[in-house]
Amino acid sequence: LAKTTQPISMDSYEGQEVNITCSHNNIATNDYITWYQQFPSQGPRFIIQGYKTKVTNEVASLFIPADRKSSTLSLPRVSLSDTAVYYCLVGDILEIKAAGNKLTFGGGTRVLVKP
Amino acid sequence: DAMVIQNPRYQVTQFGKPVTLSCSQTLNHNVMYWYQQKSSQAPKLLFHYYDKDFNNEADTPDNFQSRRPNTSFCFLDIRSPGLGDAAMYLCATSSSFERGYEQYFGPGTRLTVT
Repeated sequence: LAKTTQPISMDSYEGQEVNITCSHNNIATNDYITWYQQFPSQGPRFIIQGYKTKVTNEVASLFIPADRKSSTLSLPRVSLSDTAVYYCLVGDILEIKAAGNKLTFGGGTRVLVKP
Repeated sequence: DAMVIQNPRYQVTQFGKPVTLSCSQTLNHNVMYWYQQKSSQAPKLLFHYYDKDFNNEADTPDNFQSRRPNTSFCFLDIRSPGLGDAAMYLCATSSSFERGYEQYFGPGTRLTVT
């Protein structure tokens, strides 16, 4: 599983766009990038997954440059309820499966949305 | 709504007194997982079931056991809780082993050991 580096914390204000960048310099050809969100006192929640270019769903967008050595999770127009820890995970789906589907969560980025 | 349910949400037990945490799911997923999350740390996988096939992580203490009597339910038994076992215990499911990167977590049970 590729090692990931994320900022420890970020502050933002309601209505702003929040962009969280995850570095994964040793990403392998078969690795996918997955993001989870964890609210205080709750379990993590799968947000989005991508391999290259851009992926968008109702919650977020994921931007992956051509070299795939980093990725950026974009949260549009955040609200107070988006305050959470965001985890970036990188791994080969088959490798994850071989490891018993162990999701290896890194440090995560603690996002605080202020009024 | 289909979901993962954990009971109780908060559990207090005494040092050395066995405790059982429960998880149920209405998603009809084949795979169920138990994670331990200590304060300000990332979740750590303890074990998982693929159907009834039990898989233990190498570093999961023997003090932790699990049961899955049917598809919907899974239990975490801590035989002799120590102070270091105080944590949030998270149950998760995935629809198949092939989609194991997409896991659905319950709200967790926060265990306090006194």
